[in-house]
Amino acid sequence: DTEVTQTPKHLVMGMTNKKSLKCEQHMGHRAMYWYKQKAKKPPELMFVYSYEKLSINESVPSRFSPECPNSSLLNLHLHALQPEDSALYLCASSYLPGTGSTEAFFGQGTRLTVV
Amino acid sequence: GIQVEQSPPDLILQEGANSTLRCNFSDSVNNLQWFHQNPWGQLINLFYIPSGTKQNGRLSATTVATERYSLLYISSSQTTDSGVYFCAVESIANAGKSTFGDGTTLTVKP
Repeated sequence: DTEVTQTPKHLVMGMTNKKSLKCEQHMGHRAMYWYKQKAKKPPELMFVYSYEKLSINESVPSRFSPECPNSSLLNLHLHALQPEDSALYLCASSYLPGTGSTEAFFGQGTRLTVV
Repeated sequence: GIQVEQSPPDLILQEGANSTLRCNFSDSVNNLQWFHQNPWGQLINLFYIPSGTKQNGRLSATTVATERYSLLYISSSQTTDSGVYFCAVESIANAGKSTFGDGTTLTVKP
């Protein structure tokens, strides 16, 4: 199983709403990632969790709040977003201990529209 | 941070043609992957290839780490090969942080 599952697939939210994006993997990976992708651009790294601890925060605004409750789950909590935050949000996982592999697998993404 | 440059930015082919996509990077890497992004946004793994050569059907890839480039070969292209191809690298200096190139948009015409 090389699947990373993201929910929801689509989300429309107002600027005063609070919502969460969810990501799940069962490959035993110990690193999980959030990326943001705007149209016709490459994915940009937002956050990295390693062994459930936040290891990289790419200077993301505090209106994005990541959470890693356990080794299989990753959440991204959204609050007071701006229209320019509308994008495709991608979750990925990688790093299988004992194998040396850092091959990353991506979910299908959540297409977020902020109105 | 590491710089990743993909070429060409756009490529239009007739079905059945062959193509080569290139990824240059500016620093030593411990991870390099090629992805195909389909029209729905899904990033599909093609190759995990920090060095060496791999083949999978009509696709193959070669990474020459000492010269800091990777090539993706697509043979006998099909319309379903259309989409954006990304190279993503992780430098040794910044382990755990992947950087994507700007991608190559491939259009295969019937």
